[in-house]
Amino acid sequence: DADVTQTPRNRITKTGKRIMLECSQTKGHDRMYWYRQDPGLGLRLIYYSFDVKDINKGEISDGYSVSRQAQAKFSLSLESAIPNQTALYFCATSGIPAPGTAQETQYFGPGTRLLVL
Amino acid sequence: AQSVAQPEDQVNVAEGNPLTVKCTYSVSGNPYLFWYVQYPNRGLQFLLKYITGDNLVKGSYGFEAEFNKSQTSFHLKKPSALVSDSALYFCAVRPEYGNKLVFGAGTILRVKS
Repeated sequence: DADVTQTPRNRITKTGKRIMLECSQTKGHDRMYWYRQDPGLGLRLIYYSFDVKDINKGEISDGYSVSRQAQAKFSLSLESAIPNQTALYFCATSGIPAPGTAQETQYFGPGTRLLVL
Repeated sequence: AQSVAQPEDQVNVAEGNPLTVKCTYSVSGNPYLFWYVQYPNRGLQFLLKYITGDNLVKGSYGFEAEFNKSQTSFHLKKPSALVSDSALYFCAVRPEYGNKLVFGAGTILRVKS
């Protein structure tokens, strides 16, 4: 979905290096998410943010940090990369549910393929 | 805690035949259920969702899914498969008053001509 972009699309790094993955969206959504995808495990939530001042840990936040620089930007950092962080990383966005509902649809970026050597 | 099971790693079907991709879930309270599709080298794309109302939900590309509360299932179906339907399919669930989607492990669908 061109409305959600991720940079870089591919990255190779070495153990111990700090790297940042960036996500930008033009959908005007308040909510943004970072997931990692591993074969056989599906997508697992790393961090999510419901607005610029709101950051929440997901199920696998250890070893990661995030920054919500603006409504449209949400970056994921690996402070000291390790090989088991090799994965496909997805950013997603969603709008605020309509009053009286809690449903939402998430829109995904194209993914960043990260290899940690 | 909520969870999603997709019992089949891969489903193979001949073009023109009906297809079913299975999904069962566990959640407290009413579920919100989603299906997403991932084509090679692409992000996930939304297919359809069940929030409330009719148990049979119609979505993109001719797909539909049936919500069965007693069996806690939300199977994805299509009456006639196309080769271009070959992709990785994810089922996801969120409780009515929760904030987070939980995804299944995914099912690879292969449609052969």
